[in-house]
Amino acid sequence: DAGVTQSPTHLIKTRGQHVTLRCSPISGHKSVSWYQQVLGQGPQFIFQYYEKEERGRGNFPDRFSARQFPNYSSELNVNALLLGDSALYLCASSSPEGTGLLIDGELFFGEGSRLTVL
Amino acid sequence: GQQLNQSPQSMFIQEGEDVSMNCTSSSIFNTWLWYKQEPGEGPVLLIALYKAGELTSNGRLTAQFGITRKDSFLNISASIPSDVGIYFCAGEDFNFGNEKLTFGTGTRLTIIP
Repeated sequence: DAGVTQSPTHLIKTRGQHVTLRCSPISGHKSVSWYQQVLGQGPQFIFQYYEKEERGRGNFPDRFSARQFPNYSSELNVNALLLGDSALYLCASSSPEGTGLLIDGELFFGEGSRLTVL
Repeated sequence: GQQLNQSPQSMFIQEGEDVSMNCTSSSIFNTWLWYKQEPGEGPVLLIALYKAGELTSNGRLTAQFGITRKDSFLNISASIPSDVGIYFCAGEDFNFGNEKLTFGTGTRLTIIP
């Protein structure tokens, strides 16, 4: 079975541009979360989507937005890129069955999309 | 954003040695998790803890959920070369029905030949 897949794996943008990152969850998983991992730090929560609805949002500016599609895949969009947006963007999927609780800690991460802003 | 306090930041050990790292928080969490991340990969779950005071093992790994629900530790016994990587603790906050994880700052484990 395929794990969480993300695309693109690497990309370079310049300040002010826009970027779209994509994520396909593990088959059967209905929840997708996005995390930002700056070099040398732990991942920071950006968004969680469940059944196409936003369940949670971290402390990120409105330049960051996301959505989830009927097939449970997801996109993360970042507008007006800043140098500080350079990071590894991680997508994670889970199957919380609507309780909002991790079941057996099953939050599975993809390999990430590494964004460099010049 | 908030990150949990994880120590030590890095460890240099010889193969066969035991490893201990811990994580503290100013907030209470309902679940504590330990992840390992290797270069070019996303974090991989090692151990999940669901009850205060719980002690859980996974092979050579042992982790405990602190009684106060504000801390956790991870021990690795008899380290081997494949243990190299960055270890992150994470606390789960399911306020508002979401699955937000708050991660620690990481402990980088290096094994000296």
